[in-house]
Amino acid sequence: RKEVEQDPGPFNVPEGATVAFNCTYSNSASQSFFWYRQDCRKEPKLLMSVYSSGNEDGRFTAQLNRASQYISLLIRDSKLSDSATYLCVPFIRSTLTFGKGTMLLVSP
Amino acid sequence: SAVISQKPSRDICQRGTSLTIQCQVDSQVTMMFWYRQQPGQSLTLIATANQGSEATYESGFVIDKFPISRPNLTFSTLTVSNMSPEDSSIYLCSVEDTGELFFGEGSRLTVL
Repeated sequence: RKEVEQDPGPFNVPEGATVAFNCTYSNSASQSFFWYRQDCRKEPKLLMSVYSSGNEDGRFTAQLNRASQYISLLIRDSKLSDSATYLCVPFIRSTLTFGKGTMLLVSP
Repeated sequence: SAVISQKPSRDICQRGTSLTIQCQVDSQVTMMFWYRQQPGQSLTLIATANQGSEATYESGFVIDKFPISRPNLTFSTLTVSNMSPEDSSIYLCSVEDTGELFFGEGSRLTVL
């Protein structure tokens, strides 16, 4: 089993849609989790950390299910500028381990 | 937040040659990280560079192929040695600052 698995997409959605990305991780000892965003030909940037109780930042909601070793990211009211690749990043064995990412394409 | 400058931003090299990538941070940091992102793949950690000691390499990466220097707390270099087309990738420098990982813009390497 891969350490981090994500649906590669792409997810094609219209502006205003709600979209959810899922991620599973293999190491049950992982304590910290993050979502990074990577625009085309750019470096990754931190979107949000994922807390045990789930957390929300504007249109973005992250949730963690430790029992299922599953992390999710929900984006509401999608904007054109949300088009990017979203990387699931658990902290595994003292290292941030990056998933391949899920590509989101928001169209007018 | 840390600001990271990398150069070169891109290069095209002949197989068998070596290329050194430089990474400059605008603040002093204890650890600097070098990642590789091959086309369509996730970021893979190559090594962690600490000032004053040898870099720590991840499984699958060796010092002879990817020598790293860390002469001070704001600067590091990664050399890709004896390059082959399989080394074509984006190489990213990264630092941790207040719990967040910041990346340089990356160095896009193409080996012919």
